[in-house]
Amino acid sequence: DVKVTQSSRYLVKRTGEKVFLECVQDMDHENMFWYRQDPGLGLRLIYFSYDVKMKEKGDIPEGYSVSREKKERFSLILESASTNQTSMYLCASSGTVPTNEKLFFGSGTQLSVL
Amino acid sequence: SQKIEQNSEALNIQEGKTATLTCNYTNYSPAYLQWYRQDPGRGPVFLLLIRENEKEKRKERLKVTFDTTLKQSLFHITASQPADSATYLCALAGGSTLGRLYFGRGTQLTVWP
Repeated sequence: DVKVTQSSRYLVKRTGEKVFLECVQDMDHENMFWYRQDPGLGLRLIYFSYDVKMKEKGDIPEGYSVSREKKERFSLILESASTNQTSMYLCASSGTVPTNEKLFFGSGTQLSVL
Repeated sequence: SQKIEQNSEALNIQEGKTATLTCNYTNYSPAYLQWYRQDPGRGPVFLLLIRENEKEKRKERLKVTFDTTLKQSLFHITASQPADSATYLCALAGGSTLGRLYFGRGTQLTVWP
């Protein structure tokens, strides 16, 4: 089975800190995604990547950046954490479209910014 | 911009009945549509995919329909069980960026004994 591993299950940070969320997938997937999930708002796409060193903005990229130096790893960076970035962060990966479109999600990181 | 509505935030049904969840969309022509299940504190898990040229897809007790004229997908769970209790998400893909999915807010299903 595909495994998508997020480095932390729970994370507590202070306002203004730089925060790194790491995600690793073990199925050689081309595509990787970062979503945040908030009650009543559903899943919103922050950034995604179709290949190493490539990235594209999603719907809510402000305050975030990403890095994909290796195919299996996709990192989300909060440059200066703010309280409105308290959320559940979900990483996902998928294979080549159009034959392998389903997303595999990690278990999520619940980030609290105080 | 595209809009996806799952028009029930919560659905409560009795064990053994069929649960029917609805996903409507506007301003969009998806190449395919997917349904996911999410348990509390966990990431979503893929259930079914249906393409724009397909009317119906089945997998065990699950059935999905896709009506591109009505811009609607129905997700059915037959002979529902308490273990089916979860949040179900629909997601649409297509347009200029294949592989990117747009998610609805989900419907929380509770199956009571």
